[in-house]
Amino acid sequence: GENVEQHPSTLSVQEGDSAVIKCTYSDSASNYFPWYKQELGKRPQLIIDIRSNVGEKKDQRIAVTLNKTAKHFSLHITETQPEDSAVYFCAAGDDKIIFGKGTRLHILP
Amino acid sequence: DTEVTQTPKHLVMGMTNKKSLKCEQHMGHRAMYWYKQKAKKPPELMFVYSYEKLSINESVPSRFSPECPNSSLLNLHLHALQPEDSALYLCASSPPTGGRGVKYDEQFFGPGTRLTVL
Repeated sequence: GENVEQHPSTLSVQEGDSAVIKCTYSDSASNYFPWYKQELGKRPQLIIDIRSNVGEKKDQRIAVTLNKTAKHFSLHITETQPEDSAVYFCAAGDDKIIFGKGTRLHILP
Repeated sequence: DTEVTQTPKHLVMGMTNKKSLKCEQHMGHRAMYWYKQKAKKPPELMFVYSYEKLSINESVPSRFSPECPNSSLLNLHLHALQPEDSALYLCASSPPTGGRGVKYDEQFFGPGTRLTVL
């Protein structure tokens, strides 16, 4: 089955700087790669996703890149703001998705 | 209506109780999911329903019994739970793509039910 590894587990960046979170996956059949943001006590919310036929996708300050050959994908957040502080989960799959262990992102004032 | 709703928000139950969690969506989604999330951990998939039929059961103990009465509702019946089953139970739904129950798109999560088993 699919196995998703996510790094780092914790990330602190200065407000205004960029944050990068990386994930690898094991199942070459996976073709859907979403990223979820979960604030404390709240539900996971999709922030961006990418499919295997695309190498990069951008939505304002958030971008995701996918390297299918190497089986890794990354989330990039630019110009970070205090409200970006949360836990971020990557996921990968096809008929079902498997989540990475999460990255706790702290934005420092 | 663009939300997934779940009731109750909180539930405390004893190990001999029987209770049910409910999930509802009116977005026309035909795939619905149950996840379990322990503190500081990712959501773990439990069950997937596609077109009201159970398509994935991730080897979940039989004390958890899912039910999908129609395309808008998903229940999780609980019986004889253990304290280690205490967690946040999340429901999600998504519009299937690429044919009946084959592939899935963005999952919309409900707010969850925080379950405590005493």
